[in-house]
Amino acid sequence: EPEVTQTPSHQVTQMGQEVILRCVPISNHLYFYWYRQILGQKVEFLVSFYNNEISEKSEIFDDQFSVERPDGSNFTLKIRSTKLEDSAMYFCASSEWAEFPSSGANVLTFGAGSRLTVL
Amino acid sequence: LAKTTQPISMDSYEGQEVNITCSHNNIATNDYITWYQQFPSQGPRFIIQGYKTKVTNEVASLFIPADRKSSTLSLPRVSLSDTAVYYCLVGDAMNSGGYQKVTFGTGTKLQVIP
Repeated sequence: EPEVTQTPSHQVTQMGQEVILRCVPISNHLYFYWYRQILGQKVEFLVSFYNNEISEKSEIFDDQFSVERPDGSNFTLKIRSTKLEDSAMYFCASSEWAEFPSSGANVLTFGAGSRLTVL
Repeated sequence: LAKTTQPISMDSYEGQEVNITCSHNNIATNDYITWYQQFPSQGPRFIIQGYKTKVTNEVASLFIPADRKSSTLSLPRVSLSDTAVYYCLVGDAMNSGGYQKVTFGTGTKLQVIP
């Protein structure tokens, strides 16, 4: 079964440092997403990406965050200057476009996540 | 995007059928109902999606009444490995700016007991 791959699985960084989290979405998927989950809390939407540009972003996704698809396979999330409150599990997801009507319309496939710990 | 309400937690014995109901009173005409499962320290995993009536796959069934203001995820004969958090999401699944941009909510924590 195709899967979304995320690296690193765990990263520890000092406050103020830049972090890049990497994702390899499923190859025929067209839509890419980042979510985060602070320990014990909800899975929160950060950003969606389609056709090499951001299509939606939440209020969490401020100027400290950026996304990029540098080489047609990787999808990265960069946090420019990490804060303690950025400590969380970050999930990448991807979906394919499904023609209406379809029972699998834009189903998200998530990666295993990257745990970020900011000290 | 329609707000959803689910029970916070449920317990069930192994081998029993589990039904988790989600309320979504302000569901819109274009909204689909999608359920995900999440194990600790893992990403959510798609279980089932539906628009109306009943949908069944190899994992679960989804019952949606005619008014679509609620839905029920049914897990047949649960096992210990079904212990997880189950999320109900409602939104326009045909649009990448639809349900995909929601925060998942607290979900229902299902504990399966031996």
